Amino acid sequence: GENVEQHPSTLSVQEGDSAVIKCTYSDSASNYFPWYKQELGKRPQLIIDIRSNVGEKKDQRIAVTLNKTAKHFSLHITETQPEDSAVYFCAAINSGGSNYKLTFGKGTLLTVNP
Amino acid sequence: GAGVSQSPRYKVAKRGQDVALRCDPISGHVSLFWYQQALGQGPEFLTYFQNEAQLDKSGLPSDRFFAERPEGSVSTLKIQRTQQEDSAVYLCASSPLAGGLGETQYFGPGTRLLVL
Repeated sequence: GENVEQHPSTLSVQEGDSAVIKCTYSDSASNYFPWYKQELGKRPQLIIDIRSNVGEKKDQRIAVTLNKTAKHFSLHITETQPEDSAVYFCAAINSGGSNYKLTFGKGTLLTVNP
Repeated sequence: GAGVSQSPRYKVAKRGQDVALRCDPISGHVSLFWYQQALGQGPEFLTYFQNEAQLDKSGLPSDRFFAERPEGSVSTLKIQRTQQEDSAVYLCASSPLAGGLGETQYFGPGTRLLVL
């Protein structure tokens, strides 16, 4: 089955700096990669996703890049703000078939210091 | 509109007790997923429903875990004879289309289960 590794487990940055979180996956058939943000005690919320037919996607201060050959994808947050502090999870799935299992990484605790 | 809701939000159970966790998905969503999230970990897949059909239960840790969605809307996750290792947050998610199509999964707030 799919295995998703996420690094780093914790990340501390100064407000205004950029933050990068990296994930690798094992199943070359995976083709959909969402990122979720989870604040303490709250539900995971989708912040951005990417499909395997594109290499990069951007939404304001958030971007995701995908390297299918290397089987890794990354989340980039620019101009970080204290409200970006949360746990971020990457995930992967081989969608379109009979597989329904979204596999998550272990999460990255991002702290943005004012 | 209303998002995914779950109840109870918190549950304390004595070891050996049975518990039932409820999920109300977004109205009209075809797919419903249950995940288990241990402290400091990412959610781990438990089971998947497409309408009322349970198409994948490969993630259920043991036969003490049982899930149902009899009318294709509300779902219940039941844990029999709870053990301490069952302590976790149980998340429910729904999505509009049939699962596996890479559509956004909308999560509920979770039920935090503590087994003493």
